[in-house]
Amino acid sequence: AQSVSQHNHHVILSEAASLELGCNYSYGGTVNLFWYVQYPGQHLQLLLKYFSGDPLVKGIKGFEAEFIKSKFSFNLRKPSVQWSDTAEYFCAVRNTGNQFYFGTGTSLTVIP
Amino acid sequence: ETGVTQTPRHLVMGMTNKKSLKCEQHLGHNAMYWYKQSAKKPLELMFVYNFKEQTENNSVPSRFSPECPNSSHLFLHLHTLQPEDSALYLCASSQTGTTSYNEQFFGPGTRLTVL
Repeated sequence: AQSVSQHNHHVILSEAASLELGCNYSYGGTVNLFWYVQYPGQHLQLLLKYFSGDPLVKGIKGFEAEFIKSKFSFNLRKPSVQWSDTAEYFCAVRNTGNQFYFGTGTSLTVIP
Repeated sequence: ETGVTQTPRHLVMGMTNKKSLKCEQHLGHNAMYWYKQSAKKPLELMFVYNFKEQTENNSVPSRFSPECPNSSHLFLHLHTLQPEDSALYLCASSQTGTTSYNEQFFGPGTRLTVL
């Protein structure tokens, strides 16, 4: 069965620290990859996406993610987090059948 | 109104009640989805509609019944639910058949509590 794994369930960082959230997926075919963010009390919003081309994708609010096909990974990074980045982050994969699979999410808490 | 809207935002119901959740998308998309979001679990895809036709039903119990009268509206009819069905129910839409804009756009969800 296809799946998406997010290994970090809860991350706590101080402001200005660097962030990396792991995401691995199990699907051998062509995929589109996404990171969604859910701020407290708000709905899921797209942070960034990868369809093709440059494997390093830049999103909103200074986030970026790198697609490493050989590792089936799409890790999310930010060099310096802010308190306002406190949220739940979800990795998602879309396969060629237009099926979306989400990870369990990573809760990020940034301490001022 | 723009994006994906869901009503009601909160719903409390007894196990013998019948209720419906409504989703509307204002993005001109041709696919709509129902997800269940429970704590500590991945988003669970429940139903998918492409061009008003149901294309996926992920072994969802029959006490959940979807309806898609047109490409902009999606309903989830609920009856004789169980307490373990309490969760956040999310609606999403996307444009299929293209390569550039097929991410999903989510609504705010309906927080359902089954007593």
